[in-house]
Amino acid sequence: GQNIDQPTEMTATEGAIVQINCTYQTSGFNGLFWYQQHAGEAPTFLSYNVLDGLEEKGRFSSFLSRSKGYSYLLLKELQMKDSASYLCAVIGTDSWGKLQFGAGTQVVVTP
Amino acid sequence: EAQVTQNPRYLITVTGKKLTVTCSQNMNHEYMSWYRQDPGLGLRQIYYSMNVEVTDKGDVPEGYKVSRKEKRNFPLILESPSPNQTSLYFCASSLSSSGSNEQFFGPGTRLTVL
Repeated sequence: GQNIDQPTEMTATEGAIVQINCTYQTSGFNGLFWYQQHAGEAPTFLSYNVLDGLEEKGRFSSFLSRSKGYSYLLLKELQMKDSASYLCAVIGTDSWGKLQFGAGTQVVVTP
Repeated sequence: EAQVTQNPRYLITVTGKKLTVTCSQNMNHEYMSWYRQDPGLGLRQIYYSMNVEVTDKGDVPEGYKVSRKEKRNFPLILESPSPNQTSLYFCASSLSSSGSNEQFFGPGTRLTVL
């Protein structure tokens, strides 16, 4: 099985930067996703990492270190609309079809 | 419009009354999956399907059945619902199960079992 940990909640000010950490313990690893989920809505894809390093996509970046079982999602120039839950999800080696999610990090952006 | 649809969006039922939640995608995706989302627990995978007639258990399959008779549809069946199956359910699909393919989620079905 897999254990995926992320903080429950983070608060940051509009215009600031927030880093959401995700640590995982798995029997194997085939990739890590980050999804965004606004209250009452479906999750939407943000990023995918399978190799070590930083992937940048506009205001959002995602980093992966496979040796440390660690990833982070970096949100820059925070906007009010970034208030949402951010979900870390890992594909292990049991099956390509099995995706396991962390409990999510609620980010609250304040004026 | 490319989308994943689920029906019904909201359902209140009673213990033991069989129900089916439908899921359909119009993107010709091979892979489909069902999740339930509960406060503090995040999304947990119930069943997934790599292709037509190929289904497999996720982490919480007990009390659920699925079928994949055609590519676009992946219904979730609760033969005898119980109150602990009260949850928010999401269906998702992706082009294939290989790692980099993002999953597209349906709008969710909020189920209450009394």
